[in-house]
Amino acid sequence: GNSVTQMEGPVTLSEEAFLTINCTYTATGYPSLFWYVQYPGEGLQLLLKATKADDKGSNKGFEATYRKETTSFHLEKGSVQVSDSAVYFCALGDAGGTSYGKLTFGQGTILTVHP
Amino acid sequence: DTAVSQTPKYLVTQMGNDKSIKCEQNLGHDTMYWYKQDSKKFLKIMFSYNNKELIINETVPNRFSPKSPDKAHLNLHINSLELGDSAVYFCASRSSGTQYFGPGTRLLVL
Repeated sequence: GNSVTQMEGPVTLSEEAFLTINCTYTATGYPSLFWYVQYPGEGLQLLLKATKADDKGSNKGFEATYRKETTSFHLEKGSVQVSDSAVYFCALGDAGGTSYGKLTFGQGTILTVHP
Repeated sequence: DTAVSQTPKYLVTQMGNDKSIKCEQNLGHDTMYWYKQDSKKFLKIMFSYNNKELIINETVPNRFSPKSPDKAHLNLHINSLELGDSAVYFCASRSSGTQYFGPGTRLLVL
């Protein structure tokens, strides 16, 4: 079945540092890939997505590229801010058929950014 | 306007009780979901409905029963609550391949 593996956390960075959170997946077919962010005490918000190989999703300075050859969708940001402190989830959306877009999530990576 | 809303936001109850969580979406989407997030933040799908019809049921104990009175609502009823049911429950709806999540219901079973 489908699975998503994320970099173990927590990750602690200083403001303006470079961020990478690794995400690899196992899937059949051609799934869509997502990054969701969960701020403290809140629900999940879509951060970015990519629907096919070599697509790059980007939002709020974050970006991730759908790499089919390495089955990866790593999240990057050039300069993090304190307000980026949150839990980040990589997710895979089933490619279709009878799955109705079920999302399979990675385990989440806690990011803390210090001033 | 809130796109996906859940009530209540917090729910504290005793073991053995029956409780319900409600979800409503005003996005006009056909497909809705329930997810459970455990204490380690791990998220797992529980159910999905498409246009009021159950389409995904992921090995969830039958104490959990979803109900969709119309395609804008997907409620979750839990019978005989157990300590292990303590978690955050998220509702979501889907359009164009993207799921939009509600704010979550934090359930604590004592």
